[in-house]
Amino acid sequence: DMKVTQMPRYLIKRMGENVLLECGQDMSHETMYWYRQDPGLGLQLIYISYDVDSNSEGDIPKGYRVSRKKREHFSLILDSAKTNQTSVYFCASSFPLGENTLYFGAGTRLSVL
Amino acid sequence: GDSVTQTEGLVTLTKGLPVMLNCTYQTTYSPFLFWYVQHLNEAPKLLLKSSTDNKRTEHQGFYATLHKSSSSFHLQKSSVQLSDSALYFCALSDLPYGSSGNKLIFGIGTLLSVKP
Repeated sequence: DMKVTQMPRYLIKRMGENVLLECGQDMSHETMYWYRQDPGLGLQLIYISYDVDSNSEGDIPKGYRVSRKKREHFSLILDSAKTNQTSVYFCASSFPLGENTLYFGAGTRLSVL
Repeated sequence: GDSVTQTEGLVTLTKGLPVMLNCTYQTTYSPFLFWYVQHLNEAPKLLLKSSTDNKRTEHQGFYATLHKSSSSFHLQKSSVQLSDSALYFCALSDLPYGSSGNKLIFGIGTLLSVKP
């Protein structure tokens, strides 16, 4: 069963706290992504990972960092969260070559108060 | 740079009517276009995709044709249903087909609302 799993689904944090969002996939995809979704802005790419310890900044990396120590697992870290990081975060994975179909997780709704 | 434009933010229709959601793009490479659909509180899912000029691609009653001459990939359906209410994203692959490390560029999305 092809699946991208995100934890937690909902999270409330206070400004300045650290946040860890976790993502796993069971398809052996090499490439994984973190996006955030905001009304009127669509899906914005935060980071892309091509494999273990091979990560690149996306379009909006400021305020975020990532970790990928196993191919099936990709974490997004917010050090000292800010209120403007309130958003819905989606993890996705894909094969690196070919038509690049993305498989998305169900998302994490993060509120930073 | 590469970009995707979806001109309608919200489309509201009555059940049974046809719909067309607009998508145009800019790229320096041979385009590979996608439509993703996201139902309320769910993950985006691939609806259909194409890289072949002037060939219609279909899935779940939706269809689209890539027209390289007009840089368009509009999504259509002949008769919308209540269950079609969702957010629809058009996306463009930003590197040549088969490239390693390419990523998708998404439009801002069009919300389709179907009324009874």
